[in-house]
Amino acid sequence: AQSVTQPDIHITVSEGASLELRCNYSYGATPYLFWYVQSPGQGLQLLLKYFSGDTLVQGIKGFEAEFKRSQSSFNLRKPSVHWSDAAEYFCAVGAVEYGNKLVFGAGTILRVKS
Amino acid sequence: GAVVSQHPSWVICKSGTSVKIECRSLDFQATTMFWYRQFPKQSLMLMATSNEGSKATYEQGVEKDKFLINHASLTLSTLTVTSAHPEDSSFYICSASPSGSFGELFFGEGSRLTVL
Repeated sequence: AQSVTQPDIHITVSEGASLELRCNYSYGATPYLFWYVQSPGQGLQLLLKYFSGDTLVQGIKGFEAEFKRSQSSFNLRKPSVHWSDAAEYFCAVGAVEYGNKLVFGAGTILRVKS
Repeated sequence: GAVVSQHPSWVICKSGTSVKIECRSLDFQATTMFWYRQFPKQSLMLMATSNEGSKATYEQGVEKDKFLINHASLTLSTLTVTSAHPEDSSFYICSASPSGSFGELFFGEGSRLTVL
């Protein structure tokens, strides 16, 4: 069965520091990977996605993620965090075989301290 | 970018009543929409896949008679929580993708249901 693991429930970083949010997946089919961000009481906004090709994917708001098939990982990174990045981040996995049905990780809450 | 709108954004109802939540794709047609439920501080759990013009496909453990889904047009899906109870209180989120596309999922703002 497919699953997504985000090992860190909470992460706190200082403003201006670098950030890495971890995501590991288990998927039988060729995975397509996504990162979404959710502000409190809001829906989800797509940060970036990986389908194929270059394993380093650039997204919005200065985020990037790297797909590592050997490690079944798709970690999200940002070189310098801004206070406005405080939110909850979800990693998700899908496959063409399953249409647009996604499986989400548990989420990581990012806190930014000034 | 594409917009998906949910209404109402929050609703409070009495136990035993039914509540309808709408999900609209405002600038694209969506053959398929998805309904998720999110408990506090937890991830999104897929409840059902809403298919335009046909029956919804429910995930295991989701009561189809409890959560009625109707997808009568290419821009509107509705979720009705029937005979709501306090344990149905949750944040419900829908998503939609343009017909024929893959990976282009757009999420609504969510609807917070509180059942008293």
